[in-house]
Amino acid sequence: ILNVEQSPQSLHVQEGDSTNFTCSFPSSNFYALHWYRWETAKSPEALFVMTLNGDEKKKGRISATLNTKEGYSYLYIKGSQPEDSATYLCASIGYSNYQLIWGAGTKLIIKP
Amino acid sequence: EAQVTQNPRYLITVTGKKLTVTCSQNMNHEYMSWYRQDPGLGLRQIYYSMNVEVTDKGDVPEGYKVSRKEKRNFPLILESPSPNQTSLYFCASRSPGVLAGETDTQYFGPGTRLTVL
Repeated sequence: ILNVEQSPQSLHVQEGDSTNFTCSFPSSNFYALHWYRWETAKSPEALFVMTLNGDEKKKGRISATLNTKEGYSYLYIKGSQPEDSATYLCASIGYSNYQLIWGAGTKLIIKP
Repeated sequence: EAQVTQNPRYLITVTGKKLTVTCSQNMNHEYMSWYRQDPGLGLRQIYYSMNVEVTDKGDVPEGYKVSRKEKRNFPLILESPSPNQTSLYFCASRSPGVLAGETDTQYFGPGTRLTVL
């Protein structure tokens, strides 16, 4: 794939449930994969920067895995809380020009 | 505190009236970018700068200009704004990354919501 694709586009999850979503990116010339969290009326904030195949990062209830050979990353949220409601963006960086290529995001809505 | 600031935060203007959105960062980063965000389209890069006096077009540069006369500032200029430039704009500053022994992270400004009538 030439672009970064995120799925699903939006997701409604019941409070307390766990969820996950996907970021697919070009696997050739891979340098790094970024995850950002973007709350409404705020600016995006970095969650994870991942570079190595098999990498797994964790921050509280949120974790991410990386498969550079097949070109995908999963973001997991365990025990969703209302404050997890946000759009989650991923961006891929290639060795060719070190520019970030952004996905369109997954909008997560937690239902109380 | 490390931060990226943008001004103004909100702006309503009319077609053809030149405007500048300022952006400033206090992290001594060399790399800075401008993005626009439109519903359903995600973040699209307008211009980026890898250092002072070095700027390059991003994905959607038409109708915009930038300048990078000093490291901390990266203003976005709309010489003749049009309604299709109504959008949410973000300035961002990027740390050097692993080659400099740092985590490659992008820091975003608070955003500027621009409406062109």
